[in-house]
Amino acid sequence: GAGVSQSPSNKVTEKGKDVELRCDPISGHTALYWYRQRLGQGLEFLIYFQGNSAPDKSGLPSDRFSAERTGESVSTLTIQRTQQEDSAVYLCASSSQGVVEKLFFGSGTQLSVL
Amino acid sequence: QQPVQSPQAVILREGEDAVINCSSSKALYSVHWYRQKHGEAPVFLMILLKGGEQKGHDKISASFNEKKQQSSLYLTASQLSYSGTYFCGTASQGGATNKLIFGTGTLLAVQP
Repeated sequence: GAGVSQSPSNKVTEKGKDVELRCDPISGHTALYWYRQRLGQGLEFLIYFQGNSAPDKSGLPSDRFSAERTGESVSTLTIQRTQQEDSAVYLCASSSQGVVEKLFFGSGTQLSVL
Repeated sequence: QQPVQSPQAVILREGEDAVINCSSSKALYSVHWYRQKHGEAPVFLMILLKGGEQKGHDKISASFNEKKQQSSLYLTASQLSYSGTYFCGTASQGGATNKLIFGTGTLLAVQP
């Protein structure tokens, strides 16, 4: 595709429900990042995938958060038993070679937990 | 681990200059700069790799001092379109991964 695509663009859910967020990176990009951005705040690193290497999960805030990536394509971020503090914009970014090349960001998923 | 940016916010008149600083407690391999406008995704400005390089395009340039573990973004003759929040992202040397950690952000408002 022309850019990084994220879906859904908006998600409203009830506290305690599970949600799945999807990211389609730019074709051929081996590096994929997930970030969380709370209202008026900076970009909080969640997880990083690079090719077939084991992902860096060091930014996941709790065991309710998990992410998968199939090869060098689609990634899904799953939040189980959502809490109100999970409300934020979840941004996905991809890059052709990790931190030596620029990141292309998707438009994000606005998650609202009621 | 998160780089620290300063100032937190700055207000300029069109045509004025600004400097945004990014400082890390870790040895750095690369520094990225991005600008995010309200309600939009961050957009890439430039990357600087270790070696103390400087880069620039148009009236926006940056420097990277790896000894001081610092980078600075220079905006000259600011335009209204420069308004937004500027983030630096840093990748540290060593370790098994190359994750990019973003700073706290600097809000820049350019007024007519």
